[in-house]
Amino acid sequence: QKEVEQDPGPLSVPEGAIVSLNCTYSNSAFQYFMWYRQYSRKGPELLMYTYSSGNKEDGRFTAQVDKSSKYISLFIRDSQPSDSATYLCAITQGGSEKLVFGKGTKLTVNP
Amino acid sequence: GAVVSQHPSRVICKSGTSVKIECRSLDFQATTMFWYRQFPKKSLMLMATSNEGSKATYEQGVEKDKFLINHASLTLSTLTVTSAHPEDSSFYICSARVTGDSPLHFGNGTRLTVT
Repeated sequence: QKEVEQDPGPLSVPEGAIVSLNCTYSNSAFQYFMWYRQYSRKGPELLMYTYSSGNKEDGRFTAQVDKSSKYISLFIRDSQPSDSATYLCAITQGGSEKLVFGKGTKLTVNP
Repeated sequence: GAVVSQHPSRVICKSGTSVKIECRSLDFQATTMFWYRQFPKKSLMLMATSNEGSKATYEQGVEKDKFLINHASLTLSTLTVTSAHPEDSSFYICSARVTGDSPLHFGNGTRLTVT
């Protein structure tokens, strides 16, 4: 079983839709959870960072962590064409431990 | 805050030559920086961890003599691809974190094409 599983998509939605992106992980030692957005030919950009179960909201983005189920989600409300990108989940045990990335989900928001 | 700058953004070189990629933390000091490689439509693969003032730690399967890493200061790490071959063509991305438990911030990547 891979450490982090992420549906690669692609996912195509109309503008204004609510988008749900998900990752599951296998190691309960993971403590820190991140979502990155990567536009084509660019480096990943940090969107959300959390280290506890529950929800964290930032504008149109909500990160959700369920440690009991080892499941993390990123919700995008009122999606915009500018949200079209690849979204990567990343998880770490913390400290100097390496980041483990999901494969990324490619999202297209159609105007 | 937490800006990581990478240069150059694109480079084309001939087989057998060497290419140097720079990674700078602009508004923070980074004792540790990370170098990743990304193939088309694939996720990021950690190549090595760059430690200021000491030798880099390479991941299994990464040739340390081909991918030379130097972390000479708290704000600069360099990756040199030596004797480049077409199979080294890829997207190389560096990253750093402000503190031990803070998330990684990435540079904008360098697209290397070896002809």
